[in-house]
Amino acid sequence: SYVLTQTPSVSVAPGKTATLTCGGNNIGHYSVHWFQQKPGQAPVAVMFYDSDRPSGIPERFSGSNSGTTATLTISKVEAGDEADYYCQVWDSTVDHAVFGGGTKLTVL
Amino acid sequence: EVQLVESGGGSVKPGRSLRLSCAASGFTFGDYAMHWVRQAPGKGLEWVSGITPNSDTIDYADSVKGRLTISRDNAKNSLYLQMNSLRPEDAAFYYCVKDGATTISPPRFENWGQGTLVTVSS
Repeated sequence: SYVLTQTPSVSVAPGKTATLTCGGNNIGHYSVHWFQQKPGQAPVAVMFYDSDRPSGIPERFSGSNSGTTATLTISKVEAGDEADYYCQVWDSTVDHAVFGGGTKLTVL
Repeated sequence: EVQLVESGGGSVKPGRSLRLSCAASGFTFGDYAMHWVRQAPGKGLEWVSGITPNSDTIDYADSVKGRLTISRDNAKNSLYLQMNSLRPEDAAFYYCVKDGATTISPPRFENWGQGTLVTVSS
């Protein structure tokens, strides 16, 4: 089945830009969704269809997808952005949703 | 405001059964597909099952097919997950998730409940 690869951890200083990647074979041909999960909380969608921000998600969050890498970019990072971030696609060959292993974002 | 409240989790022995429920409010439940997604403690997310609004299309992850059964009661605004022949690897937080559409493929996991914990141990 389709495999999504995420960097286990990323650290960034407040006010800087965090770049979270999600790798997969020809992932640019898939629609990628991103979820944020803060400690002890349920996941929250922060990006749909590569670059579509749900209502209530700050403009600091942006997304892109091309080739073998999808990217979630968080600009002007704040302490409240510290969380695990998961990417997700739909594997149509098996009709199953697939999640990446997650990236733990630490704000220094 | 969309609210999804799971219940029914607990500690069971391997091979036993459990039934999870999800009470939905804040939206027209019968208009949307619904899913269960689980997360073992300290691990990543795993889609478990999805169901369309009128239950005509249902799908399962291979890891649970034949043991877990999803269902819904639109009159009661409720989603269910009947879990039979439970295994230690089924231990996880189980999240009820509202889709953004009527289809389960592809899914759009719009709103998540807070989850209910299932522990499977002898």
